[in-house]
Amino acid sequence: QKEVEQNSGPLSVPEGAIASLNCTYSDRVSQSFFWYRQYSGKSPELIMSIYSNGDKEDGRFTAQLNKASQYVSLLIRDSQPSDSATYLCAVGQTGANNLFFGTGTRLTVIP
Amino acid sequence: DGGITQSPKYLFRKEGQNVTLSCEQNLNHDAMYWYRQDPGQGLRLIYYSQIVNDFQKGDIAEGYSVSREKKESFPLTVTSAQKNPTAFYLCASKTSGSVGYEQYFGPGTRLTVT
Repeated sequence: QKEVEQNSGPLSVPEGAIASLNCTYSDRVSQSFFWYRQYSGKSPELIMSIYSNGDKEDGRFTAQLNKASQYVSLLIRDSQPSDSATYLCAVGQTGANNLFFGTGTRLTVIP
Repeated sequence: DGGITQSPKYLFRKEGQNVTLSCEQNLNHDAMYWYRQDPGQGLRLIYYSQIVNDFQKGDIAEGYSVSREKKESFPLTVTSAQKNPTAFYLCASKTSGSVGYEQYFGPGTRLTVT
């Protein structure tokens, strides 16, 4: 069983729509959750971190965490073509300094 | 500017040669990491180091070696024992302890071995 699972996509949304990206994880004691954006050929860029149940908003991005259901999601409001990228979910476990990464969801925002 | 630098950006080598990838950070981060990324796969951890002169194997350490002689530097050597070395190599760093779990990545080195 994979530690962190994401739908690989591709996910296509029209410009201005809300893009919803989901991630599930297997370890119930996971404590830290991150979303990275990776443009083609580039390195991952941290865009959101969340540690507590509920929503965390930063500009057009909202991260949602539900530890009981073991999922974390990322909503992108007013999607722009520049949001087209692969989004990686990463999970950190208690007592560990490492992160476990999903394989990423490729998002395409259609103008 | 604070950040993580990796060099070179692109590296080409013949099979059977060892090659060393550079990673330097001036963020005063204690922990540093090396990942490998292959098409269609997530990031896989090769080695990590939480303090100077100490490092641990990750999930795919075979065929790789590292050193951590300075806090700022964490070079990775891809040896000839690594069966499939062609990949995108990413270095990351973060602060240690209970404050700050975020890992930040360098720009990466794309290694091609023929």
